[in-house]
Amino acid sequence: DAKTTQPNSMESNEEEPVHLPCNHSTISGTDYIHWYRQLPSQGPEYVIHGLTSNVNNRMASLAIAEDRKSSTLILHRATLRDAAVYYCILFNFGNEKLTFGTGTRLTIIP
Amino acid sequence: DGGITQSPKYLFRKEGQNVTLSCEQNLNHDAMYWYRQDPGQGLRLIYYSQIVNDFQKGDIAEGYSVSREKKESFPLTVTSAQKNPTAFYLCASSSGVDEAFFGQGTRLTVV
Repeated sequence: DAKTTQPNSMESNEEEPVHLPCNHSTISGTDYIHWYRQLPSQGPEYVIHGLTSNVNNRMASLAIAEDRKSSTLILHRATLRDAAVYYCILFNFGNEKLTFGTGTRLTIIP
Repeated sequence: DGGITQSPKYLFRKEGQNVTLSCEQNLNHDAMYWYRQDPGQGLRLIYYSQIVNDFQKGDIAEGYSVSREKKESFPLTVTSAQKNPTAFYLCASSSGVDEAFFGQGTRLTVV
């Protein structure tokens, strides 16, 4: 199974953009890149996903490298409510296996 | 409202007992998942099911069992063979490559 690598923790100032990196050098052609975030004692919440092209939604943007071996989740203007653990996941279209890594703990500084 | 429901929220088990965690979804999703989360750690996949009457082991299936007799339901049994069952358990469902929806979790404690 393809794996993802993320920094353990990151800090950002409130109202500033945040760029959360993810490496997935062994990604296969049928792997979709998903991002979820989790607040303490809650289930993860979907943020965004993509295959090859950059994606935007109301929560964030996803920038995918041309070779698909890395991606970046972009929060355009961080708020205190964005403080969470962010998981970058490869979802395989063939076997539908959804495996989480260790994630990045994002701290927002007021 | 459509969603995924886990019950109970808190569960206490005596050592040596089996216990079953419930997961129900009304999203008409084919795929369902069970994860275990220990304090300060990420989610680890226990079992997943792509379709009714079929399921596959995840990364930490030992000591756990599941069934998928109905599309809406994917119960997880924590057996006495699981030596360290105290953890936060999360259930999820998805309809292919789109977003997965998670329940609010069951916190299991062995007493």
